[in-house]
Amino acid sequence: DSGVTQTPKHLITATGQRVTLRCSPRSGDLSVYWYQQSLDQGLQFLIQYYNGEERAKGNILERFSAQQFPDLHSELNLSSLELGDSALYFCASSPQTVHELKETQYFGPGTRLLVL
Amino acid sequence: AQKVTQAQTEISVVEKEDVTLDCVYETRDTTYYLFWYKQPPSGELVFLIRRNSFDEQNEISGRYSWNFQKSTSSFNFTITASQVVDSAVYFCALSEVDSNYQLIWGAGTKLIIKP
Repeated sequence: DSGVTQTPKHLITATGQRVTLRCSPRSGDLSVYWYQQSLDQGLQFLIQYYNGEERAKGNILERFSAQQFPDLHSELNLSSLELGDSALYFCASSPQTVHELKETQYFGPGTRLLVL
Repeated sequence: AQKVTQAQTEISVVEKEDVTLDCVYETRDTTYYLFWYKQPPSGELVFLIRRNSFDEQNEISGRYSWNFQKSTSSFNFTITASQVVDSAVYFCALSEVDSNYQLIWGAGTKLIIKP
């Protein structure tokens, strides 16, 4: 158990809908990363937040957005869903102290999204 | 640009055989980090090892060992005396300080260990 939690584990929805994926990082971790794993694109970085602020953006579609709240949990919002958005979405967190391996990301179990 | 290549799409061996998973990376940064993650059939991503660019020392952890060679930009992973429970997809990944440590992933190698 990495200590990162994600809900829900599975999500089935229809095209055009909007969903919210939730992530709670490990206790004390300030940084949250979101990744998408799809069959055709593999694992791709979407976005990173650090202590409530957006830090880096990757291949994230404009239909997708994220935020990190004061309690450090994060949400990834996916809207106007298309069939191609079906994927496994991972959240990861990393420590940000000099005493820990801040470069290492620990992953949640993922949310499997199926768009029908 | 950064890139991670895992040329072996799938490897199948019989239990107790040794197996090496290859990883080649590209980066322009002098400070970077390399990782291996395991994804078992259940789907989660399990952190196995992290190496920084200044530390070329090989590492052994039980049946697992890693060979980092900057001269060939490779970070290979060997499982000795493989077991059925080692069956999984293994990912090599790269992160750089200048990219806020976001992970650049290889395509993964599916390892099948037959009893």
